[in-house]
Amino acid sequence: NAGVTQTPKFQVLKTGQSMTLQCAQDMNHEYMSWYRQDPGMGLRLIHYSVGAGITDQGEVPNGYNVSRSTTEDFPLRLLSAAPSQTSVYFCASSWRGAGETQYFGPGTRLLVL
Amino acid sequence: QQQVKQSPQSLIVQKGGIPIINCAYENTAFDYFPWYQQFPGKGPALLIAIRPDVSEKKEGRFTISFNKSAKQFSLHIMDSQPGDSATYFCAASTNDYKLSFGAGTTVTVRA
Repeated sequence: NAGVTQTPKFQVLKTGQSMTLQCAQDMNHEYMSWYRQDPGMGLRLIHYSVGAGITDQGEVPNGYNVSRSTTEDFPLRLLSAAPSQTSVYFCASSWRGAGETQYFGPGTRLLVL
Repeated sequence: QQQVKQSPQSLIVQKGGIPIINCAYENTAFDYFPWYQQFPGKGPALLIAIRPDVSEKKEGRFTISFNKSAKQFSLHIMDSQPGDSATYFCAASTNDYKLSFGAGTTVTVRA
């Protein structure tokens, strides 16, 4: 089992560019989520999904888009990158929801210039 | 506004000491309180978790103390080792799909 995988590991973008952060899990988990981690702020929930075709907003959804067409994949799209989106992004998954063990990926470090 | 307030921001202890990290919350609907450990360059990993029907839970050298009336919970690391040096996050969730994290505490254990 690879667990939760994320690509790329590191990305530099210019302001206004768009990109997709990839996340995949091979544990057949229904629940997947995206967090951003910033110094002194912990992890903040961006979007989550409770199954294929079902997504919802978290705490900080503005500027991000998600979709879930399969159980395995949950990509995060930045529509028009801004310097405020410079952060480390983590994808996580669990069987059914937030009230159980979350399995985190290794993260994507994003720098927006 | 963070729903879970964590302190201190950082702490340094000698090997064998007992670092204590505290978290407080306001939402009485929270019913799951995990602690995650994160090493530099890695994703967080679950360390230990507690539900409000117990006041204490131990797993190895890690202990959660939970005070429901005070709306506080804490992590104690007994007989701390240099390998425990990491960032620790408390978190909380209700019976839904959102997990709220504290700001994190960087623990350094000196040999």
